[in-house]
Amino acid sequence: KAGVTQTPRYLIKTRGQQVTLSCSPISGHRSVSWYQQTPGQGLQFLFEYFSETQRNKGNFPGRFSGRQFSNSRSEMNVSTLELGDSALYLCASSSRGGDEKLFFGSGTQLSVL
Amino acid sequence: EDQVTQSPEALRLQEGESSSLNCSYTVSGLRGLFWYRQDPGKGPEFLFTLYSAGEEKEKERLKATLTKKESFLHITAPKPEDSATYLCAVHILTGGGNKLTFGTGTQLKVEL
Repeated sequence: KAGVTQTPRYLIKTRGQQVTLSCSPISGHRSVSWYQQTPGQGLQFLFEYFSETQRNKGNFPGRFSGRQFSNSRSEMNVSTLELGDSALYLCASSSRGGDEKLFFGSGTQLSVL
Repeated sequence: EDQVTQSPEALRLQEGESSSLNCSYTVSGLRGLFWYRQDPGKGPEFLFTLYSAGEEKEKERLKATLTKKESFLHITAPKPEDSATYLCAVHILTGGGNKLTFGTGTQLKVEL
């Protein structure tokens, strides 16, 4: 069974640009969550989607958005990039959400110059 | 505000030297406490879930325990391959969604 796949693996962007990251969950999983990981803050919750609906949202500005498609694949978008957005963005999936374990992808390393 | 604090930030052990990592939490409505392992360049990998005080779980050289205020990850006779960052996270009630609040992790280095 294939794991969680995130693309691209690395991205370099400049301030003011926008970026779209992609996540393909484990087959059959309907919940997809996104986390931002930085050395200073650790992992911080961005949002969670379940069956194409955003179910939870973290404390991030509106520049961060996401969506989920009918096949459970998810994308997150960051508009008007800032230097502080440089981070590892991790996607995680689970079969139904709730208090079960998450399966993480290897992440997309975003560098904003 | 919900908080998760891990200590120490970094730990260096000799192979075979047992130790414990700490995760203390202040949350309302705890649904579960998770331990993950993260290797460089990879996403976190699930280790354990604990749901109630007094619960213990074991896997190879690792044993996780939970009290009402903290959790410990005990590492018995560690090997170099146990070197990684260990993350703890709490799942809290947010209206049924799947949100984890993570600590900043303990970076473990096991040397020969």
